[in-house]
Amino acid sequence: DIVVTQSPLFLTVTPGEPASISCRSSQSLVHTNGYNYLDWYVQKPGQSPQLLIYMGSNRASGVPWRFSGSGSGTDFTLKISRVEAEDVGLYYCMQALQTPFTFGPGTKVDIK
Amino acid sequence: QITLKESGPTLVKPTQTLTLTCTFSGFSLSTSGLGVGWIRQPPGKALEWLALIYWDDDKRYSPSLKSRLTITKDTSKNQVVLTIANMHPVDTATYYCAHYNPGTYYRPLNWFDPWGQGTLVTVSS
Repeated sequence: DIVVTQSPLFLTVTPGEPASISCRSSQSLVHTNGYNYLDWYVQKPGQSPQLLIYMGSNRASGVPWRFSGSGSGTDFTLKISRVEAEDVGLYYCMQALQTPFTFGPGTKVDIK
Repeated sequence: QITLKESGPTLVKPTQTLTLTCTFSGFSLSTSGLGVGWIRQPPGKALEWLALIYWDDDKRYSPSLKSRLTITKDTSKNQVVLTIANMHPVDTATYYCAHYNPGTYYRPLNWFDPWGQGTLVTVSS
């Protein structure tokens, strides 16, 4: 199985400030088609997870521009350019290259 | 608009078999390429992918649970059913089903979107 790790596990951010979450996989997530099979999901308090970023860097429909994904191979980053109060939640990366799909442990984002 | 909803018992006893049903709308599992997956989340813990069924009845399972899992689909009812045999207290979790779209080789998507609201299953005697 591909192991996925995240750091930090907890992040407290001042509104308006940037935030960054790192995601690493135990093997490259680059497919033969050249794409990185890495998704980001956010689980807001009391809600189901929802798709944020797919294929490493593509914002899902309706996701604000302040969210961006980058990286390739085994190292990926989710950035929030200016955190807002509504961004509180658990952020998970998931490798979608091969089954079993595996999630990172999650990063809890709180607001100061 | 795609929606999914999980249903099933909220409480099962150890050693019993859990049967969960995902009823969806807004897409058909007879559409080439699509799938429905199951993911669970124990209280206060991370997400764990369990199983996936594709439009063509191809099935994938978590290796750690494969011997206990069965996923099936009823295309006419727009339902996907997951059974987990021999439930243990550690299987206590919120179980989610989600629409899966792999996209194509040249335009891959590989996302779970959207997810159902989830159903909390407690395993206790």
